[in-house]
This record gives sequence, C-alpha cells and structure tokens, in this order.
Amino acid sequence: GENVEQHPSTLSVQEGDSAVIKCTYSDSASNYFPWYKQELGKGPQLIIDIRSNVGEKKDQRIAVTLNKTAKHFSLHITETQPEDSAVYFCAASISFYGGSQGNLIFGKGTKLSVKP
Amino acid sequence: GAGVSQSPSNKVTEKGKDVELRCDPISGHTALYWYRQSLGQGLEFLIYFQGNSAPDKSGLPSDRFSAERTGGSVSTLTIQRTQQEDSAVYLCASSSSSGGYEQYFGPGTRLTVT
Repeated sequence: GENVEQHPSTLSVQEGDSAVIKCTYSDSASNYFPWYKQELGKGPQLIIDIRSNVGEKKDQRIAVTLNKTAKHFSLHITETQPEDSAVYFCAASISFYGGSQGNLIFGKGTKLSVKP
Repeated sequence: GAGVSQSPSNKVTEKGKDVELRCDPISGHTALYWYRQSLGQGLEFLIYFQGNSAPDKSGLPSDRFSAERTGGSVSTLTIQRTQQEDSAVYLCASSSSSGGYEQYFGPGTRLTVT
C-alpha cells in the first residue's frame, strides 16, 4: 500500500524567512496530494492541494510542487508569519473526480515554529 | 455554510466500557471518513463510506471498532470494550463526489480511556 514520508519533523524559522517541507510517496497510482495545517486542539485545515496532472500550484504565500517521476512533493511558505506556526501534514490518495475517492495516507507531520 | 461537526468534543471513559462518537458531515457530501490521531502521531485511516456502497473497513484496527452511517448523512463510530491504547483524537472528514477531491475535517473527539 501507499506510504508517505515527511521531512523535517520540526522546523524553526525567523519571521519573514521561507519554509520548505518535503514529502515522498511510494504508490505511483496516487494522483491527489493535499496539505493540511493543524493548530493545537483543532482539526486539520486544508490549505492547498495539487493533482498529478499539474506540476506546481500557488496561492498567495503558499505553493506546492509535484515531481511525479521522483514521487515527491513539497510545500513552500514564503514571508512566514508567527500565525503560520502549526503542524503541517502532507497526504496522498487515489481519487477520481465525480466518482469514488480514496482515503488519505498522511505523513507524520512537521511542527513549524516561526519566531518573531 | 456549516462545516463538519463532531460530538462529544471530549470523552473520558473507563477501560472496558463502550463509547459512541458522532459525526455530522457537510450537507450534501456523499463521502465520509473516520481517522484516528494518536499523541504525537500522524493521522491513521479507519473507515470510509461512499454513498450507498459498502463501507471500506480496511483501516479498522480490531473487531471492537465499528461504524455506521444512517440515511447517508450522520455517522457513528462505536468502540466496544475500550482499551487504554484506544486513547486518541478521532477525526471525521467529508467530501463531495460531485465536486473535487477535497476532504474537510471536523474538530475531532478526544477520547481518554482510564
């Protein structure tokens, strides 16, 4: 089955710096890769996602890149702010638009700390 | 609109007791998922409902765990004869098959087995 590895497990950056979190997956059939942000005591919040027919997607300060050949994808956060501090999870699944959607397989998470 | 809701938010139970956790998905979402998040761990898939199809139970850790979804909406996760290792946050997510792939999570139920 699918296995998702995520690195680093902890990341500390200075406010205004960039942060990069990397994930690799094992199942070449996976075609959907979301990223979630989880704050203490809350459920995961979807922040950005990418599908296997796209190499890069950007939303304001957040971007995700996907390399299907190497089976890895990354989250990039620019101009980090203290409110970006949280645990970030990557995930992978096999999903079909308008049809069945597979369960997500998650990485172990990255605790990001942004120091003011 | 309203997001995924879960109840109770916290549950403390004694070892050996049964517990029921409830999930109300986003209105109109046909897919519903249960995940478990143990302390310091990632999220582990438990069970998945899609419309009227038979649920995918491949993630359930033991036969003490079961779930049902009534009327294609509300779901209940039941844990029988709870053990201390069942202590975790149980998260529910829902998704729309007529839309994209996105899964939206509820706030979770924190279960503590003493």
